[in-house]
Amino acid sequence: QSALTQPASVSGSPGQSITISCTGTSSDVGSYNLVSWYQQHPGKAPKLMIYEGSKRPSGVSNRFSGSKSGNTASLTISGLQAEDEADYYCCSYAGSSTLFGGGTKLTVL
Amino acid sequence: QVQLQESGPGLVKPSETLSLTCAVSGYSISSGYYWGWIRQPPGKGLEWIGSIYHSGSTYYNPSLKSRVTISVDTSKNQFSLKLSSVTAADTAVYYCARHDYSKTFDYWGQGTLVTVSS
Repeated sequence: QSALTQPASVSGSPGQSITISCTGTSSDVGSYNLVSWYQQHPGKAPKLMIYEGSKRPSGVSNRFSGSKSGNTASLTISGLQAEDEADYYCCSYAGSSTLFGGGTKLTVL
Repeated sequence: QVQLQESGPGLVKPSETLSLTCAVSGYSISSGYYWGWIRQPPGKGLEWIGSIYHSGSTYYNPSLKSRVTISVDTSKNQFSLKLSSVTAADTAVYYCARHDYSKTFDYWGQGTLVTVSS
């Protein structure tokens, strides 16, 4: 099993929207709407931002949203803020296994 | 509030066994959920190592399966990781975390850096 594919980096200006993609296969992302997204600031543990494809945990801003099309899941952040600058990882259910993406570094210009 | 805390040696010699424990507070492991280990080499991404269900069933990353053992001690409300025959490639921050059937990791430990070096 290979890691899910994410772009290495994305960037945007404050107030803009960005989308991070997460591409898997028909055996993982494509078969289940069970992708979660995590935000990680330097030196910190990952924080859950989106689960089961598009659900937001309590306390997470509604500027964060998730979706899926085919074998690709996406995380969209609208109204970019400076504090959104971080690394983002997707994670997919894959039966008895679990797959993470390689991570995407978001830079807020 | 659920809290997880990793503990164990920060330095392990090559070919030896890495052993870490994750103490859980604010939730009884025997009540449910899966309990997993994830690692992150310096400057790199997250890698799932394996998980254990509260009943004791285990699930391992196929790429690490031959070297990994995860166990649970419900009396101490903690679970453990053993990774054998370590090399420098196993140097990483090791996290413990709770997840459900959908592999949603909702609570994480702060992480502990383990360096493999002689």
